[in-house]
Amino acid sequence: GAGVSQSPSNKVTEKGKDVELRCDPISGHTALYWYRQRLGQGLEFLIYFQGNSAPDKSGLPSDRFSAERTGESVSTLTIQRTQQEDSAVYLCASSLTSGGTYEQYFGPGTRLTVT
Amino acid sequence: GQNIDQPTEMTATEGAIVQINCTYQTSGFNGLFWYQQHAGEAPTFLSYNVLDGLEEKGRFSSFLSRSKGYSYLLLKELQMKDSASYLCAVYLGGYQKVTFGTGTKLQVIP
Repeated sequence: GAGVSQSPSNKVTEKGKDVELRCDPISGHTALYWYRQRLGQGLEFLIYFQGNSAPDKSGLPSDRFSAERTGESVSTLTIQRTQQEDSAVYLCASSLTSGGTYEQYFGPGTRLTVT
Repeated sequence: GQNIDQPTEMTATEGAIVQINCTYQTSGFNGLFWYQQHAGEAPTFLSYNVLDGLEEKGRFSSFLSRSKGYSYLLLKELQMKDSASYLCAVYLGGYQKVTFGTGTKLQVIP
């Protein structure tokens, strides 16, 4: 079966532009996470969607960041007025939340470079 | 709040054994994951511990003590390909959310 996919794989944008990153989770996975990972750093939690519950947005670094997910399908992460410090790899992961198997499956990431 | 601690870096010799520790202070603990992340790649799942004790999976074993808020990942017969970052992550009950530590970068040397 297909794993988690993300698009685009690479994105180069000019400072001040908006970008939209897409994540297609594994079918049937109720939980979806977005993380940011700067070069040589750990995973920085951004946002968490769990079924139809209100998302946990506690990790979003500023109001320039937002994310949406419709039901248990595709999610988009939008960064408005990009800044150079937004340059990083953005990882998406999905998982089940019942049945005893909660491991996260990660997508390959989107490498964002803001020039 | 949630707090997960791991050493930042470790170095070990090919063929040896290395233990990577993780301590956590969280509320609503359900279980603990270990992930491996090679440079430039996404993390991949290694293990998930719910109950106290040691779980062995080939060259890798993971241990959990819930009462002490402590886990370790044990890698035996180290190979050069084991050079990677190892991420400890806690699965929290209630909201069913996973929180990651900052990871331990392991370098295996000849």
